[in-house]
Parts: sequence; structure tokens; C-alpha cells
Amino acid sequence: IAGITQAPTSQILAAGRRMTLRCTQDMRHNAMYWYRQDLGLGLRLIHYSNTAGTTGKGEVPDGYSVSRANTDDFPLTLASAVPSQTSVYFCASSDQSGGADTQYFGPGTRLTVL
Amino acid sequence: GQNIDQPTEMTATEGAIVQINCTYQTSGFNGLFWYQQHAGEAPTFLSYNVLDGLEEKGRFSSFLSRSKGYSYLLLKELQMKDSASYLCAVPDSNYQLIWGAGTKLIIKP
Repeated sequence: IAGITQAPTSQILAAGRRMTLRCTQDMRHNAMYWYRQDLGLGLRLIHYSNTAGTTGKGEVPDGYSVSRANTDDFPLTLASAVPSQTSVYFCASSDQSGGADTQYFGPGTRLTVL
Repeated sequence: GQNIDQPTEMTATEGAIVQINCTYQTSGFNGLFWYQQHAGEAPTFLSYNVLDGLEEKGRFSSFLSRSKGYSYLLLKELQMKDSASYLCAVPDSNYQLIWGAGTKLIIKP
């Protein structure tokens, strides 16, 4: 693989269910990010990780959790999904943490919560 | 606080030139990014400006004025494949990117 992969591509989920979105990068980037993108709104940061073993909260962290056990993987978990979490979710990575470094995006996961 | 404004939608003709504006308000400044996003796809990097002035990269150029909190993306010799959304983003005080809602560019033959 090359770049960033996300799984699943799309998912329909019943409200109240637990769901983990997967993200893997093979660029050995230090920093990784999870965004959600909703119509009419910009990308909004959910959680980020500046390096393996550390995570931080973004603009809209409620209802989501992340872990960064190693450099390559950065899963996003919805503990109990709600309809307002219906969105397109993008994972991204950058070589260095900090806003001045180019971010590379995965293809996205389209999630529908009913 | 942080704020980024871009026009919601613009229409241009194939072969023409279009300028997409972005105004921002930040506490401190650490550069400004432009990304392109085709419908149903991921954003991809176009440019990064940290100093005032125009940076040219083929058919695309990006301009920055830090004193005015203003940037624009200039697309020349428009092609149908340039139909996409163009996203402006700036780092916040924690160095995480704040994104504009994006400008949807429609190219007509």
C-alpha cells in the first residue's frame, strides 16, 4: 500500500451501536488526524495525535475516542453512535506535528447513523 | 477567535481565469494552505504560503497578504477537470488547521 487507507469505505449503522473506523498510513508520518466533513461546513478536527502514544482533542471530540498504539494506525471509535454523527470521516497524516506541515488524506469513510 | 471566509460557489468558463478569495482572522499566523477536493474524494494539497506575495505553480498561483488577512487562489486556462471545491486553511494557536467551508468551482464549456 502507499499513502493512507481507511476502512470501511461506507457504513450504515443503527443508533446506539459501537463502531470503529480504521486508518493506516505507510509513510512513517509522526502526526495523524481525524476530521469530519459535513455539507456547508469546513473540515472539523475531531482528534489528533502528534506522535505514537499521544493523542489530543480537536474542535468536536465529544462522542469519539482514539488511540495511537503505533506509528501507522490511528483508529477512531464511536462508543454509542447517534444520528448527528452521520458524516464523511477523513483520516490524515503529516510528517511533523504542527500546522505548518502538509497533511495527506485518506479516501474517507461515509457513515450513516439511523 | 479563528474565522475563515470563502465564497460558497463560483462559476467560470473553460479556458478562462478565475480567482478564489479567502479571508481569515487568526491570533498569530503560521501560513495558509489551499487544498483541492473533487466531489466524493479526499482533499489534496495545492499550495502553502507563509510570506506575502504571489507563488506560481503551473496553471495555479496563490497570493498572500498577511497585513490584510487575505489570500487568493488563481487558476488559469481552466479545464473541466478543475471543477472541484477549493479549501482554504490556516493553523490555529495550537498549530491545528482551521478550515474554510470551501468554494465549489463549476466550470462550463
